Amino acid sequence: KAGVTQTPRYLIKTRGQQVTLSCSPISGHRSVSWYQQTPGQGLQFLFEYFSETQRNKGNFPGRFSGRQFSNSRSEMNVSTLELGDSALYLCASTPAGGTANTGELFFGEGSRLTVL
Amino acid sequence: GNSVTQMEGPVTLSEEAFLTINCTYTATGYPSLFWYVQYPGEGLQLLLKATKADDKGSNKGFEATYRKETTSFHLEKGSVQVSDSAVYFCALSQNTGGFKTIFGAGTRLFVKA
Repeated sequence: KAGVTQTPRYLIKTRGQQVTLSCSPISGHRSVSWYQQTPGQGLQFLFEYFSETQRNKGNFPGRFSGRQFSNSRSEMNVSTLELGDSALYLCASTPAGGTANTGELFFGEGSRLTVL
Repeated sequence: GNSVTQMEGPVTLSEEAFLTINCTYTATGYPSLFWYVQYPGEGLQLLLKATKADDKGSNKGFEATYRKETTSFHLEKGSVQVSDSAVYFCALSQNTGGFKTIFGAGTRLFVKA
């Protein structure tokens, strides 16, 4: 079974630009979550999607947005990039639904964004 | 709100030493508890989990017990190896109409040969 796939793995942008990151979850997983990882703030929850609906959202400004498609693939977008947006963005999927689901996350390798 | 506190690193040990990484949590209700590990240049992967009080999670020689009375989930290993060098994250998850997992700050472990 293929794991969680994130693209691109590395990218460099300049301030003011926007970026779109993509995530393909494990086949059969319907929930996708996004996290921002930085040395100073650690792992910060961005949002969680299930069946194309955002169910949970972290404390990030509106410049950070996401969506999920009918095949469970997800994208996140950051507009008007700032230097502080430089981070590793991690996507994770989980087989949502049912009492047996404990919320275990399956992570991709991440997209490393550098903002200059 | 929910939170996770784990001991700061880095932790440096010699091979075959005993490892403990402390983790405490604050949550309402009964969360599931996890330890994730991140090797250099990689995403996180699940190390072990426990879903109810007194459960013990174990994997690859690592263990952690869900202690509700002390709200703790300390990670232990009897004999570490150089290959255990990584960053370890304690986390909790609750289903509140959707899962939201909260992570601790992470503890970097260095194991010397």
